[in-house]
Amino acid sequence: EDQVTQSPEALRLQEGESSSLNCSYTVSGLRGLFWYRQDPGKGPEFLFTLYSAGEEKEKERLKATLTKKESFLHITAPKPEDSATYLCAVQSLDNAGNMLTFGGGTRLMVKP
Amino acid sequence: SAVISQKPSRDICQRGTSLTIQCQVDSQVTMMFWYRQQPGQSLTLIATANQGSEATYESGFVIDKFPISRPNLTFSTLTVSNLSPEDSSIYLCSVVVAGPVENYGYTFGSGTRLTVV
Repeated sequence: EDQVTQSPEALRLQEGESSSLNCSYTVSGLRGLFWYRQDPGKGPEFLFTLYSAGEEKEKERLKATLTKKESFLHITAPKPEDSATYLCAVQSLDNAGNMLTFGGGTRLMVKP
Repeated sequence: SAVISQKPSRDICQRGTSLTIQCQVDSQVTMMFWYRQQPGQSLTLIATANQGSEATYESGFVIDKFPISRPNLTFSTLTVSNLSPEDSSIYLCSVVVAGPVENYGYTFGSGTRLTVV
């Protein structure tokens, strides 16, 4: 069974204070790992897809990396508008139905 | 990427009634997914809606409680039946469009916030 664990559950940062969010996963074979941002009262917004260990992707202040067991979402010099819940999800090669398995999320709060 | 319109955005319902949620996509998609997000928790897949066949339900979810329709390749509905306070959640539809997933992942609707009183 696919499993995804995110840590920490909540993270408070000062504006400009860089940090990383962790996503540990267990799958029989990884088809893709997805990062989403979710604002209160809204649906998840797609950020990145990673496919293989060593892959990295960047978007503005966010950078996602992937190893065989975990993924990190690095946030450089965050701003208050980066405050949101960040979700990690995996899709396994065994999953013929294309469903995603989500982690519990990390709630990020950036104070000015 | 696809644009999803989900209705209603929120509703307050009485116990024992039902709520039907609509999901309209601006392009044809093979698979549509329905997720539940309970308060303070992450997303759990309810079922996959396939056009022309019955929906496929995940463990813990049954058709009598969550009937799904998929009349065409751009539209689906999820009904939450015989409501109880435990059904208070956000319900989300999601689609994947054929093409490079790396460019957009799976797209989600804005969600329906259901409160059962």
